[in-house]
Amino acid sequence: EDQVTQSPEALRLQEGESSSLNCSYTVSGLRGLFWYRQDPGKGPEFLFTLYSAGEEKEKERLKATLTKKESFLHITAPKPEDSATYLCAVLRYGGSQGNLIFGKGTKLSVKP
Amino acid sequence: NAGVTQTPKFQVLKTGQSMTLQCAQDMNHEYMSWYRQDPGMGLRLIHYSVGAGITDQGEVPNGYNVSRSTTEDFPLRLLSAAPSQTSVYFCASSYSWGGMNTEAFFGQGTRLTVV
Repeated sequence: EDQVTQSPEALRLQEGESSSLNCSYTVSGLRGLFWYRQDPGKGPEFLFTLYSAGEEKEKERLKATLTKKESFLHITAPKPEDSATYLCAVLRYGGSQGNLIFGKGTKLSVKP
Repeated sequence: NAGVTQTPKFQVLKTGQSMTLQCAQDMNHEYMSWYRQDPGMGLRLIHYSVGAGITDQGEVPNGYNVSRSTTEDFPLRLLSAAPSQTSVYFCASSYSWGGMNTEAFFGQGTRLTVV
């Protein structure tokens, strides 16, 4: 069964304390992997797309990497405004067209 | 550019009532979809459309109908609301679903409570 698992469920960091969020997946053919940020009461906001193992993308304090079985979202020197829930989703070949499979998310809290 | 606009933001329904959640996008995206988000669960696909006049079912389609008469609009209809449909609903659109530019852009959500 196709599955996306994110860990940890929740992460508390001090401002400036770098860490990583994990997204592991088992799908029958990966077309793309996406990272989103979701603030309370808002819709998911697109961050990155990764298409192949070894690919990396960066945006400010965030860096996303992809292997054949998982993706990491590295947060360097986080600030309180980075607090949010981070969602991982995969788009697979075959199955229902455009069926994004989402993980349950990691809730990140950054304390000043 | 407004992006993806959903209305209403909040709605309370009684069991058995029907209603339509509206979704509009101004990015000329071909692909549109509806998701529901429930506590402790990931976003789950309800219905999607790959273009005007074309719709298909997602993972959890029961109790919902959709239609796509224009590129811009993709309304979601609840036929006879049930408490199990209490959720936050998100509409999303993307330029395509295959190849590049597959990232989805989401609306702000509609929080629906069925009593």
